[in-house]
Amino acid sequence: SQQGEEDPQALSIQEGENATMNCSYKTSINNLQWYRQNSGRGLVHLILIRSNEREKHSGRLRVTLDTSKKSSSLLITASRAADTASYFCATVSPTGANSKLTFGKGITLSVRP
Amino acid sequence: NAGVMQNPRHLVRRRGQEARLRCSPMKGHSHVYWYRQLPEEGLKFMVYLQKENIIDESGMPKERFSAEFPKEGPSILRIQQVVRGDSAAYFCASSPLGLVYNEQFFGPGTRLTVL
Repeated sequence: SQQGEEDPQALSIQEGENATMNCSYKTSINNLQWYRQNSGRGLVHLILIRSNEREKHSGRLRVTLDTSKKSSSLLITASRAADTASYFCATVSPTGANSKLTFGKGITLSVRP
Repeated sequence: NAGVMQNPRHLVRRRGQEARLRCSPMKGHSHVYWYRQLPEEGLKFMVYLQKENIIDESGMPKERFSAEFPKEGPSILRIQQVVRGDSAAYFCASSPLGLVYNEQFFGPGTRLTVL
């Protein structure tokens, strides 16, 4: 079953606006990561937030994590047309030696110039 | 430092043929992961390998699929007797360590089309 569930499924905004994407998950995690995928391309790692962290920043990105609600949000400020892509959250289980990523279905972000 | 390389980028096979997908991890990375992405879906974990060892293959179909990561050379994902449902993008990722805090670096993917 899907661990991460992002919402909305699709988001369309004007360049310069902020984009907020949410992710919910079901089981406990060690960390949560956000990735971007441009159409037909591989995934690019954006940011990782650990289970004992509540907020992280990286450039125009801000990620929050609420482990009590099992949810995370990704905020992209001052969006650009180049931010148009699919965004995925992925979780890593705290148990076991393997560190596989469990992905949600993704959010399609369109930024209109 | 070259990124994760996958080849071929596109692969077309007829039903019943074999598909071999190759992945060369980033230099210095000894951990490789394979994921499959169906259209309009997220990535689904298939298998996690270290050099010469399969660590976790819980996401791999029990039949027709196999993976290896030999001491020398790339990791190979092999699909025997392909069916139309195998059509997907297959992504490889690598990391320097298998610890839970790792970032995984993804290759560009191999898009498999089964006719």
